[in-house]
Amino acid sequence: DTGVSQNPRHKITKRGQNVTFRCDPISEHNRLYWYRQTLGQGPEFLTYFQNEAQLEKSRLLSDRFSAERPKGSFSTLEIQRTEQGDSAMYLCASSPQTSTNEKLFFGSGTQLSVL
Amino acid sequence: QKEVEQDPGPLSVPEGAIVSLNCTYSNSAFQYFMWYRQYSRKGPELLMYTYSSGNKEDGRFTAQVDKSSKYISLFIRDSQPSDSATYLCAMGPQGGSEKLVFGKGTKLTVNP
Repeated sequence: DTGVSQNPRHKITKRGQNVTFRCDPISEHNRLYWYRQTLGQGPEFLTYFQNEAQLEKSRLLSDRFSAERPKGSFSTLEIQRTEQGDSAMYLCASSPQTSTNEKLFFGSGTQLSVL
Repeated sequence: QKEVEQDPGPLSVPEGAIVSLNCTYSNSAFQYFMWYRQYSRKGPELLMYTYSSGNKEDGRFTAQVDKSSKYISLFIRDSQPSDSATYLCAMGPQGGSEKLVFGKGTKLTVNP
């Protein structure tokens, strides 16, 4: 069990570019979450997958954001036409089927800076 | 009124002190309550969770929930420099949503 892995750890991009982040959850965790955290704030929920199905999306997830989990294992989060307001830490978390969502295991996040 | 309020601190204490961290919330539908610890440039790590009013103890940590007052606390006894981190309260669920609602976090420094 190597924990939740997120890549890249850091991403610097110019405004208007597209970026994609990857999350590899803990093996056999079928529940996967994306959160966003800005400086001095707690994480904010973006979206939730159970296996490959995206079951919940926050209103924070504008149409420039898309998340996938094609085979129910790793997940990607893409941001199109990035804006400076997208600068944040993007956190992925997973939990096992036997748990409800209080026992989330977070990765170390991808820090996005939009210039 | 925000759903979850947490004093961001910062809080600085000497080693060995008892630390008290607190959150208030407005949504009486919340059923479970968590404390996460977050070191700099790392993701949050679950410390404790509880479903009911009362106290739950785990080593040097005690989580306390008072649903009637909508108030939760985390106590750290015999604090250590390694406890220096940001502590986030979180709670859920809300009407079938998978969303956890987090406080802003309290930054704690334990000085040797």
